[in-house]
Amino acid sequence: AQKVTQAQTEISVVEKEDVTLDCVYETRDTTYYLFWYKQPPSGELVFLIRRNSFDEQNEISGRYSWNFQKSTSSFNFTITASQVVDSAVYFCALIGYGGSQGNLIFGKGTKLSVKP
Amino acid sequence: DAGITQSPRHKVTETGTPVTLRCHQTENHRYMYWYRQDPGHGLRLIHYSYGVKDTDKGEVSDGYSVSRSKTEDFLLTLESATSSQTSVYFCAISADADNSPLHFGNGTRLTVT
Repeated sequence: AQKVTQAQTEISVVEKEDVTLDCVYETRDTTYYLFWYKQPPSGELVFLIRRNSFDEQNEISGRYSWNFQKSTSSFNFTITASQVVDSAVYFCALIGYGGSQGNLIFGKGTKLSVKP
Repeated sequence: DAGITQSPRHKVTETGTPVTLRCHQTENHRYMYWYRQDPGHGLRLIHYSYGVKDTDKGEVSDGYSVSRSKTEDFLLTLESATSSQTSVYFCAISADADNSPLHFGNGTRLTVT
């Protein structure tokens, strides 16, 4: 069975702090895809990144970076120099290659609050 | 932004009444999905579609039905709404099976009294 665990339910930081959101996954598939989504207070869900299981290179996009480690089944998300606009719920998700679309599994989300 | 429109955005209805939520896309994507979002549960898949008239059940399909008569429209129907179906409903689309990310609509907040 596939599973995504976001152990941090809520995180609160002060602006300009760095913060890491943890995502640990379980899957028996050798090929799979991992995603991060952002849900700001306005409620929409915004796609942030997709990573396939064969690409373990870390990725950086501005203040955002992602650390994918197959050895620990983790796909962690770091925000550097956090800003108030980063306040949101962040979801990690997983799907196995060739799996039914019903197999896209979301974690329960981490609520990040960035205070000025 | 992906062209996804959900209607209505908000709805209040009474227990036992039928409710239909609509999702309309302008991206011509093959796959469409209905999720519900509840506190403590994250996002859970209700039904999805992999083509016109091709649908399948998700994790929490009981009490819901769907229809897709055109590529651009995916309807979610609650045949007889119950209070446990009070939730925020999101429609999503994707271009292919597993490689493409989902793009979500803005959600429909449904309250069943």
